[in-house]
Parts: sequence; structure tokens; C-alpha cells
Amino acid sequence: NAGVTQTPKFRVLKTGQSMTLLCAQDMNHEYMYWYRQDPGMGLRLIHYSVGEGTTAKGEVPDGYNVSRLKKQNFLLGLESAAPSQTSVYFCASSGTAYEQYFGPGTRLTVT
Amino acid sequence: EDQVTQSPEALRLQEGESSSLNCSYTVSGLRGLFWYRQDPGKGPEFLFTLYSAGEEKEKERLKATLTKKESFLHITAPKPEDSATYLCAVRIPANTGKLIFGQGTTLQVKP
Repeated sequence: NAGVTQTPKFRVLKTGQSMTLLCAQDMNHEYMYWYRQDPGMGLRLIHYSVGEGTTAKGEVPDGYNVSRLKKQNFLLGLESAAPSQTSVYFCASSGTAYEQYFGPGTRLTVT
Repeated sequence: EDQVTQSPEALRLQEGESSSLNCSYTVSGLRGLFWYRQDPGKGPEFLFTLYSAGEEKEKERLKATLTKKESFLHITAPKPEDSATYLCAVRIPANTGKLIFGQGTTLQVKP
């Protein structure tokens, strides 16, 4: 089992560009989450999903969109990147026990 | 307001010097407290889940305990490979699996 995988691992964008981050899990988990981690701010929830076809806003959703068309995938989109979105992005998934399993992260720099 | 506070922010130990990390929380109805380990450049790795006061979990040199107000992660005779950031999180009362994370304690164990 690969667990939770994230694509890409690194990315550099210019202000105003768009991109999509892909998260995939092979544990048949219902719940999936996108976080950002910044120095001194800890992990902050961006969006989450409680099942295929569902999405909901987390703590810091502005500037991001998500989709969960398939149970195993959770996509995070940035429509118009801003320097404030420079961060490390983590995807996680959980089953009924609610313990979350994290991917390796995507390091995004917006110039 | 649901909140998780970890202390200290950073801890330096000599190899073999036992100590404890603290996680205090305020949440209306605890549905689970989670401990994670995060190595630099990697995603958080799940360690333990605790559900009720008095519960204890152990893994190698780590032991997690829970009271009604806080949790402790005891590290016995640590080794340099225990150096990492340790994150605490609580599950909020809702069927979403959402977790609130503390800022973490960065542990450095010197040989």
C-alpha cells in the first residue's frame, strides 16, 4: 500500500498562475483533508471532504477550490496564485477511527 | 473556543535524559486526542490516539497519557533518532473527522 500520495512534490508559480495539487489514497478512506503548514502557524485546514462528491470549507478556504469526484482522489486548486499562498501543503485521509494519515507534502512557492 | 496548546515550543535533551511534552486542550466534548511525529521535510506520522482520561498508550520509548485537561508524551531514555517535531491534535465533536492541531514541540536529542 502506498498510503497517501501527493503530486507534485515541489512547484514554483508566478503570481496569477493557476495549478492543481493531486492527492490520492489507497486505504478506502471516506474522509480527506487539505492542510497548509506555515512557520509559527501550525497545520491549518483548508478544505475537507466526508465522502465522494462532497466538499466543505475549513479554517482558511479563501483562494482555494477542491473537488472529490472519486473516493480515492482529492484535488486542491489555486485559480490565481498569490505570494501569501507560498506554503507546504499536506493532504490527509481518515477512516472511521478518525486518525488521519498524511501524505509527504507539496512545497509551493509563489513569486 | 476549541484550542490546543503545546509546551514547550522546543526542547533539547541529552541522549538518555527522560522528559515530557505537554498538550493542553479546551474542547467541548473530547472525541479523541492524537499524537503525531513530524520529521523535517515530511508529513506528520501518526503515533497514538487517546479517548478517555486515564488512558495510556506506549510505543518503544514513547508513552502518551491523558487527563481531562491535558495529555503528556513521556520520552524515556531518548535517542538522537527521536529528534523530531511532535504534534498534538484533538478531534472536535462532529462527524467530519476534523482535527485541531497544536503548534508542536520540536525535540532535539544530542548524543
